[in-house]
Amino acid sequence: QKEVEQDPGPLSVPEGAIVSLNCTYSNSAFQYFMWYRQYSRKGPELLMYTYSSGNKEDGRFTAQVDKSSKYISLFIRDSQPSDSATYLCAMSAAGGTSYGKLTFGQGTILTVHP
Amino acid sequence: DAGITQSPRHKVTETGTPVTLRCHQTENHRYMYWYRQDPGHGLRLIHYSYGVKDTDKGEVSDGYSVSRSKTEDFLLTLESATSSQTSVYFCAISYRDRGSEAFFGQGTRLTVV
Repeated sequence: QKEVEQDPGPLSVPEGAIVSLNCTYSNSAFQYFMWYRQYSRKGPELLMYTYSSGNKEDGRFTAQVDKSSKYISLFIRDSQPSDSATYLCAMSAAGGTSYGKLTFGQGTILTVHP
Repeated sequence: DAGITQSPRHKVTETGTPVTLRCHQTENHRYMYWYRQDPGHGLRLIHYSYGVKDTDKGEVSDGYSVSRSKTEDFLLTLESATSSQTSVYFCAISYRDRGSEAFFGQGTRLTVV
């Protein structure tokens, strides 16, 4: 079983929809949680970064972390065609040599159609 | 874009040949990483470095070696390329004093035939 599980989709939604992307994890040492957006043939781009349970909002994006359930989510409100991309969750343990050593989910392919 | 440049951006090579990929950064970051991305696997850590001549193995290091003789350059070498190493390779840096998030280069698409 993988340490991080992410539904690969693909997910197709109409413009303006609310999108929910989710990951579950099994390693309770994970303390830092990230969401990356990756456009085709580009490098992953950091979208959201959190390190505590609860919600973090940035514009149309909300990241949610529930450490007790080992579950993280990314919500996209008022989705736009420009949001069409692959979304990757990533996480790492804290301290020592763990910084920057990320474990990724498989990625969810999202298409927002006009 | 964290000042990361990967070269080459695309490469086709034959099975059994050595290949070196280069990651160059301009902002003097100590922490650098090599990941590979394959369908169904997300990104997986190959090797990482916490400074000049300070490197260690990641999750999928077999068949790969790295070197870091200068802060700005982190080289990934496939000693004898195999078809299973056909992948997209990403270099990343992180700012330790800012936590654990990593910032990625644009990737190198490697095909081993």
